[in-house]
Amino acid sequence: DTGVSQNPRHKITKRGQNVTFRCDPISEHNRLYWYRQTLGQGPEFLTYFQNEAQLEKSRLLSDRFSAERPKGSFSTLEIQRTEQGDSAMYLCASSRDGFNQPQHFGDGTRLSIL
Amino acid sequence: AQSVTQLGSHVSVSEGALVLLRCNYSSSVPPYLFWYVQYPNQGLQLLLKYTTGATLVKGINGFEAEFKKSETSFHLTKPSAHMSDAAEYFCAVSDRSQGGKLIFGQGTELSVKP
Repeated sequence: DTGVSQNPRHKITKRGQNVTFRCDPISEHNRLYWYRQTLGQGPEFLTYFQNEAQLEKSRLLSDRFSAERPKGSFSTLEIQRTEQGDSAMYLCASSRDGFNQPQHFGDGTRLSIL
Repeated sequence: AQSVTQLGSHVSVSEGALVLLRCNYSSSVPPYLFWYVQYPNQGLQLLLKYTTGATLVKGINGFEAEFKKSETSFHLTKPSAHMSDAAEYFCAVSDRSQGGKLIFGQGTELSVKP
């Protein structure tokens, strides 16, 4: 169990630029989740995958956001035309199948929009 | 819809004192409940979980929590605080109606005074 890995750890970009984050889950985990956390708040759900299928997207995930998990392994989260309000910590988590399975989190990618 | 409320955004205790962090939930189905800890600039680490069975669950670092259905509570306790316990703590419920995404409370920041 090598843990969930997220890259980059920090991303600073200008408003209007596109950014992409990567998440490598624990290898035997079928489920992969993306969350967003703003300062002083708990994480908020964005989207999740069961293997390569994206099964749910939050209303928080505007059409500027897209996530993929092409081979059911790693996942990417892309934000197009970034806005000030996109500044946040983006967290990835993975788990085995089952609602009672704990999610294991990566250390996150902190996005700062200038 | 499920929700989580954490009473007290900041809790301060002296080293060696009892730690009590409060969590109440709302769920239309039997809940799966989790406590996570977050240190600065890191992801979330699972402390403990309740799914079924024994209502008093023990976790890592000496923490435990008791599921009380009648009170819809899942409070986190530790008999004796240590300086290293200073962190942000999140209570979460698993949304079993939709893929097991976690719904988090707003968090409680624990400070430990020497």
